Amino acid sequence: DAGVTQSPTHLIKTRGQQVTLRCSPISGHKSVSWYQQVLGQGPQFIFQYYEKEERGRGNFPDRFSARQFPNYSSELNVNALLLGDSALYLCASSRYRGWSTGELFFGEGSRLTVL
Amino acid sequence: EDKVVQSPLSLVVHEGDTVTLNCSYEVTNFRSLLWYKQEKKAPTFLFMLTSSGIEKKSGRLSSILDKKELFSILNITATQTGDSAIYLCAVEAQGGTSYDKVIFGPGTSLSVIP
Repeated sequence: DAGVTQSPTHLIKTRGQQVTLRCSPISGHKSVSWYQQVLGQGPQFIFQYYEKEERGRGNFPDRFSARQFPNYSSELNVNALLLGDSALYLCASSRYRGWSTGELFFGEGSRLTVL
Repeated sequence: EDKVVQSPLSLVVHEGDTVTLNCSYEVTNFRSLLWYKQEKKAPTFLFMLTSSGIEKKSGRLSSILDKKELFSILNITATQTGDSAIYLCAVEAQGGTSYDKVIFGPGTSLSVIP
């Protein structure tokens, strides 16, 4: 089975632009979550979606938004990019809504550089 | 404010050494603690701990949780160069009536030299 796939793998944007990152979960997984990982830090939780509904939100500004599609894939949108948005954006999927299954399956991430 | 703290932040050991990585947390409505290994980009799952005092083992790795003192340790015995990675501790907490959240620590960067 294919793992979690993310696209694009790398991208460069300038301040003020908008970006859309995409994630396809493992087949059969209904939960997708997004994380931002700045170099030298642990991942920071942005959103969780389950069955196309937002189930969790971290402390990120409204410039960050996401959605989940009927096929359980997901997009993360970031508007009005700032230099500080430069990071690795990780997507993770799991089979269940709750996290108590423990195992999140992560994609390889999208490396965003904002100039 | 919910937080997860890991120590040490970086560690260099020789092959064959035993290492202990620490994770302490302060969260409201704790549900579970998880350990992940991050070698390049995608973290991979190691352990999930929900009950105090029950050791989880997988080969040379083991972990235990103390819910009274709010910490967990990850032990790696007979380290190998392939153990070189960032080890992430994460805590799952209930954030609200229908919201959950996961808080990651900063990670411990482990380097194992031959």
